[in-house]
Amino acid sequence: RKEVEQDPGPFNVPEGATVAFNCTYSNSASQSFFWYRQDCRKEPKLLMSVYSSGNEDGRFTAQLNRASQYISLLIRDSKLSDSATYLCVVNIPRGSYIPTFGRGTSLIVHP
Amino acid sequence: NAGVMQNPRHLVRRRGQEARLRCSPMKGHSHVYWYRQLPEEGLKFMVYLQKENIIDESGMPKERFSAEFPKEGPSILRIQQVVRGDSAAYFCASSPAAGEVTEAFFGQGTRLTVV
Repeated sequence: RKEVEQDPGPFNVPEGATVAFNCTYSNSASQSFFWYRQDCRKEPKLLMSVYSSGNEDGRFTAQLNRASQYISLLIRDSKLSDSATYLCVVNIPRGSYIPTFGRGTSLIVHP
Repeated sequence: NAGVMQNPRHLVRRRGQEARLRCSPMKGHSHVYWYRQLPEEGLKFMVYLQKENIIDESGMPKERFSAEFPKEGPSILRIQQVVRGDSAAYFCASSPAAGEVTEAFFGQGTRLTVV
């Protein structure tokens, strides 16, 4: 089983749609969770951290379910500019904590 | 406050040559991570370094690859005798501290092409 798993997609949605991505992780001792965004041929950029109580930043909402070991990202009112790959990142304890990436979920928002 | 700086941005090497990739972390950051990304793949962890120390190199191939982060200067990822399969984007990230809650900041990457 991979340490961090994501559905690669692509998710193809119209502008204005609501879309949700899930990510599962295998190590129950993991403590920190993040969503990054990666545009084509660019570096990953932090979108938001994911807190135990869930958190929201504008149109983006992140949630954590420790019992089921998954995190989610919800994007409301999708914009064309949201088209990108969304990377789930978990700090896995392996002696030291290592930011470990899922494969990423591709989102395409069309007019 | 400059971000994470990687150079070169693009590097072309012939099979058998050496590739040296450099990473200068953000100011105040002493922790560096290297990742490799193949086309259509996620980022794969390679090595984690602090100043003058390799902390975790479990993702690094056993042969031809090495990394260092000297007391002065950038972190270097070195690939000897490159092969076509080494062609990839190599990203460096830095963080201000180790620990479970630390987020990482990425450089723009070095795209290595082996011909």
